[in-house]
Amino acid sequence: EVQLVESGGVVVQPGGSLRLSCAASGFTFDDYAMHWVRQAPGKGLEWVSLISWDGGSTYYADSVKGRFTISRDNSKNSLYLQMNSLRAEDTALYYCAKGAGAEGNWFDPWGQGTLVTVSS
Amino acid sequence: DIQMTQSPSSLSASVGDRVTITCQASQDISNYLNWYQQKPGKAPKLLIYDASNLETGVPSRFSGSGSGTDFTFTISSLQPEDIATYYCQQYDNLPAGLTFGGGTKVEIK
Repeated sequence: EVQLVESGGVVVQPGGSLRLSCAASGFTFDDYAMHWVRQAPGKGLEWVSLISWDGGSTYYADSVKGRFTISRDNSKNSLYLQMNSLRAEDTALYYCAKGAGAEGNWFDPWGQGTLVTVSS
Repeated sequence: DIQMTQSPSSLSASVGDRVTITCQASQDISNYLNWYQQKPGKAPKLLIYDASNLETGVPSRFSGSGSGTDFTFTISSLQPEDIATYYCQQYDNLPAGLTFGGGTKVEIK
């Protein structure tokens, strides 16, 4: 069974930094692209970032470009999101998701999420 | 960026009713459109991929159709366990981004 377990969400001050982690199991991690998707409280879904199976290609939403960095460690079956210069509008539940489809451009399955709150 | 306009934003229907949700893309996305279900307090779940293909294990009362800019998601006979918010998602234009519709909250009347 595929399992994705996110961690690292905390309360952080505006301008601060945070690193989220996602531990993957139940599939061959280095065969798949991986994503981060977020959901602000009471709001809809927003794709954040994608990393290719080998880490060689990364993509970001405009809202986080230049502030967030996605990475992975295939030897540890782990995905990461380094978040810098955090803003109040980054407050959200952050999900990691396994890439699906021929190009890995959709999300299946999802983890349960880790909550990031940006507040002073 | 491609914008996805989903409607309605919410609906209330009776058990057994046919429910239809639409999603319109701001430009042609072929069939690069998926549908997800998010139950309250849970992570989203993929239901339909490539506009009309049912994910394994998803009940056949769920279906999708459309191509180009206009897409439809249908629940043929609404069940109590279908109470959720449903989202469309396009995947036509990396690296510009993968975008979701605004969601449709489905409730039982």
